[in-house]
Amino acid sequence: SQTIHQWPATLVQPVGSPLSLECTVEGTSNPNLYWYRQAAGRGLQLLFYSVGIGQISSEVPQNLSASRPQDRQFILSSKKLLLSDSGFYLCAWSAETYEQYFGPGTRLTVT
Amino acid sequence: KQEVTQIPAALSVPEGENLVLNCSFTDSAIYNLQWFRQDPGKGLTSLLLIQSSQREQTSGRLNASLDKSSGRSTLYIAASQPGDSATYLCAAVPGDTGRRALTFGSGTRLQVQP
Repeated sequence: SQTIHQWPATLVQPVGSPLSLECTVEGTSNPNLYWYRQAAGRGLQLLFYSVGIGQISSEVPQNLSASRPQDRQFILSSKKLLLSDSGFYLCAWSAETYEQYFGPGTRLTVT
Repeated sequence: KQEVTQIPAALSVPEGENLVLNCSFTDSAIYNLQWFRQDPGKGLTSLLLIQSSQREQTSGRLNASLDKSSGRSTLYIAASQPGDSATYLCAAVPGDTGRRALTFGSGTRLQVQP
């Protein structure tokens, strides 16, 4: 069966520091991969999606970036965090039916 | 641009009651529609997926319907239980081939009272 992992589970970082969140999927090949953010009191916002290695589409201009160095690995990064980057970050994957499965999430607090 | 709306934003019912959660979307050209459950501080759990060619899907006490022409979906929960308390989200995948990512509604927060 397929599983999706995210780490870390929680993170507290100062403004201006770098960020790296990792997501890996097991039990499937060539998945579509997604990063979403859920800010306090707001809905889920798509940040990036990827249909293959090195293929990244950005939905919202911001100081975040994403990379897919391996088929089942998706990384969310920032060189300098802003207070507004605080939120709950969710990674998801889908296959042919585009039914999406979500990871446990990373709670990021920027101080 | 697709917009997804969920009504009501919050709902409190006594245990055992049947209930309906509503979801509407502005662009009927969807590929599929998915219902999720989110417990506080947790990720999303997929409940039901309805393909654009389907009218409804059922899983246990849950039944989801889809009416593309009117831009509506409903999630019916039968014989509600306290363990059903959570936020329920609906999300639509667009029909165009270039972008298969979900557009989410803001959710309905359900509280089932024992």
